[in-house]
Parts: sequence; C-alpha cells; structure tokens
Amino acid sequence: DAKTTQPPSMDCAEGRAANLPCNHSTISGNEYVYWYRQIHSQGPQYIIHGLKNNETNEMASLIITEDRKSSTLILPHATLRDTAVYYCIVRESLTGGGNKLTFGTGTQLKVEL
Amino acid sequence: DTGVSQDPRHKITKRGQNVTFRCDPISEHNRLYWYRQTLGQGPEFLTYFQNEAQLEKSRLLSDRFSAERPKGSFSTLEIQRTEQGDSAMYLCASSSRDYPYEQYFGPGTRLTVT
Repeated sequence: DAKTTQPPSMDCAEGRAANLPCNHSTISGNEYVYWYRQIHSQGPQYIIHGLKNNETNEMASLIITEDRKSSTLILPHATLRDTAVYYCIVRESLTGGGNKLTFGTGTQLKVEL
Repeated sequence: DTGVSQDPRHKITKRGQNVTFRCDPISEHNRLYWYRQTLGQGPEFLTYFQNEAQLEKSRLLSDRFSAERPKGSFSTLEIQRTEQGDSAMYLCASSSRDYPYEQYFGPGTRLTVT
C-alpha cells in the first residue's frame, strides 16, 4: 500500500482558507489520491479525488504536485462545520474492481471564530 | 434513498457473547465494504463484497469474524466469542461500480465489550 503522511492537527480561522498537506511519496503512476473527512461520531465523507491534474468541486480544491509525491486539500472559506479529521488516502484496487481505502490517522482540523 | 444505514447504532455485550451487525447499502450499489475503527485511529479495511460474493478479506478478520451478503443487498457482520479488543466502531460503506468509486459510509455500530 502506498503510505500517506499528514500533520496530526491544524487550526484555521473561520472564513479563511484551510490548506491541508499530504505526502504520498511512494504513490505509483496509476494510483489515485482521495480525500475523506470524518466529523465526530459520524462515518467518513468523501470530499474529492485526483490523479495528476488539479481538481475542484463544490466542497474543495485538490492540488497535486507535478511529481505526484504530495498534494494539498484546500477548503477555500472554512466554517465551524468543517471541523473534522481529514484523511488523505491512496486508493488500492481490489479483486473484482473494488477499492480499498487505507486511512491512516489523518489531520484534525479545528476551525475557530 | 437515505444513504447507508446500520443497525444497531450501539451494542454493549459481555465478553464471550456473539454479536451480529447489519448494514443496508444504497440500493443501487453492488459493492459493500466493512471497516473497523478504534479510538484515535482511522478506519481499517476488513472485507469487501461485490454483489453476494466476498472477494477480499483483511488479515484483521480473524476466524471469529464472519460476514455475509446473501442476496447481494444487505450484509451482516458477526463476531463470535467477543473479546475486549473487539470494542470498536464498525463501519459499513457501499459504492457503485462506476467511476469515481466513491464509498458512502454509514453511521457505524459502536461495540463495547465488557
């Protein structure tokens, strides 16, 4: 499994951009990077994913370096409801087309007033 | 459709007892996953079904654990002879076979073994 490394915690002021980094130096050429978050006592929630190009959706933007060894999740205007643990994951393919997510310990983002 | 549901949400059992959890995936999803999450850790993959076939099992899934998905719809996870180390949140997720293979997670079943 390609391993990911994330800082254990980060703080962000409400309304500011939250930039969450992730290292995945052992990622192979066809492996995707996925981001999920988990709000306390809930199941994880998908945010965004990418392969090579930068991606944006209604929740966040994902910036992947050219060598693909690291990425940054950007929440453009963080709110208190974005307080959660954010997981950077390299997706692993399984038999029959399934996908294994290896979560790690993630980054606890705390958004404050 | 209201998403992935799991039942029960909480279960307290005594060591040595058997427990069974149920997961109802999103109805059109043919892929179903079980994960386990202990305090302070991210979820860990346990097993994966495509329709009714169990195609992958983690080494974490000891012989006391068994999972089924008999008709390719809901799934059950049974733990026999529970141990205190089994105390965890058990999460179920489902996905379609279509890209981007997003996994939708249920709220989990919190198991406490006393």
